[in-house]
Amino acid sequence: DGGITQSPKYLFRKEGQNVTLSCEQNLNHDAMYWYRQDPGQGLRLIYYSQIVNDFQKGDIAEGYSVSREKKESFPLTVTSAQKNPTAFYLCASSIGVQGNEQFFGPGTRLTVL
Amino acid sequence: QQQVKQSPQSLIVQKGGISIINCAYENTAFDYFPWYQQFPGKGPALLIAIRPDVSEKKEGRFTISFNKSAKQFSLHIMDSQPGDSATYFCAARTTGGFKTIFGAGTRLFVKA
Repeated sequence: DGGITQSPKYLFRKEGQNVTLSCEQNLNHDAMYWYRQDPGQGLRLIYYSQIVNDFQKGDIAEGYSVSREKKESFPLTVTSAQKNPTAFYLCASSIGVQGNEQFFGPGTRLTVL
Repeated sequence: QQQVKQSPQSLIVQKGGISIINCAYENTAFDYFPWYQQFPGKGPALLIAIRPDVSEKKEGRFTISFNKSAKQFSLHIMDSQPGDSATYFCAARTTGGFKTIFGAGTRLFVKA
């Protein structure tokens, strides 16, 4: 089955620790995205990538980092610099940045203890 | 900052009724307006979408109405069913495709 997988589903982190969220897609999509979802605020773009080895900051990139070494993988690192990291994180992909439909993964819920 | 304002925040509808969710945008630099449906604990999935040169699009029980001059668009769910209970997000994609701006979401509950 083609799709996007995110792992883990739930993640707990102590303050001051970096943590990496995994996102893998087998849709052969060029573009990938990371969003953060908070109650009542919709989805906010953290980073996006149009092609391998290239990525751009979104609206709330501070405290986050990404890499795009392979077409199918776009991991997100939540660093200790992120002041309020507890949220639901969603990865998405599309055929291209101008692709009409974004396909979303199931999400990772990160909780900082 | 470009914004998409969505209302209501929550909505309760009787089974068989019509659910209506409204969105408004402030900037004309959008070329694609999708609606996403999200069930608890899942990622959003595209439900229906429209381009600004079309005033209405219907897919089954779901209809988007688009008013370009008023910068407003809405989702109508006819014959609402309990299985439609979910959070719905309107969105607008910037011309050039670099960014999709999402509304805050509407939590719909359809009473059986």
